[in-house]
Amino acid sequence: DAGVIQSPRHEVTEMGQEVTLRCKPISGHDYLFWYRQTMMRGLELLIYFNNNVPIDDSGMPEDRFSAKMPNASFSTLKIQPSEPRDSAVYFCASSKQGPNTEAFFGQGTRLTVV
Amino acid sequence: AQSVTQLDSQVPVFEEAPVELRCNYSSSVSVYLFWYVQYPNQGLQLLLKYLSGSTLVESINGFEAEFNKSQTSFHLRKPSVHISDTAEYFCAVRGVGDDKIIFGKGTRLHILP
Repeated sequence: DAGVIQSPRHEVTEMGQEVTLRCKPISGHDYLFWYRQTMMRGLELLIYFNNNVPIDDSGMPEDRFSAKMPNASFSTLKIQPSEPRDSAVYFCASSKQGPNTEAFFGQGTRLTVV
Repeated sequence: AQSVTQLDSQVPVFEEAPVELRCNYSSSVSVYLFWYVQYPNQGLQLLLKYLSGSTLVESINGFEAEFNKSQTSFHLRKPSVHISDTAEYFCAVRGVGDDKIIFGKGTRLHILP
């Protein structure tokens, strides 16, 4: 398996624009996590899915953020409208069912909002 | 709910010297514990994990961590570091019966020549 695949790797956008980040989890994994990494806050859990269903979105910072998982092999994280403070590295991770399994991370998307 | 505290944001250490990266957690339930490593411009990779059994767990590249339930700690150690160990290290916790994986803020390990 190629691992968790995220696209794009880098995104530069203007304030106010819509941004969509994409993730393809490892085949057979039941959980999908979206994290945001910044210097100030470290690695924050934004939302996670189990079998394509959102379980906990309490980490989503504002209504400007939304995430979907239409099928087991694809998820999106959308920011609309984007703001400079959204600049960060966004990671997608997936894991198998069961709490004693680790998460596998993608390479991340570095988002810069100017 | 679980939380993780990594007390040191940066740790400088000379090459071939020992190092300890500290991690403390808080949880009302039993936990599984993980250490991840992040090299520059890359995602996080699992270094080692504690699930149950022996409280001392080891990685293939010489790191080890010890689960201490009474002190709610899971410190990472290496007896002799190499320049290639330069990276950021994250401690993480996953509660039994809870699906979330919560990370600490990370510790940046600087290896000095």
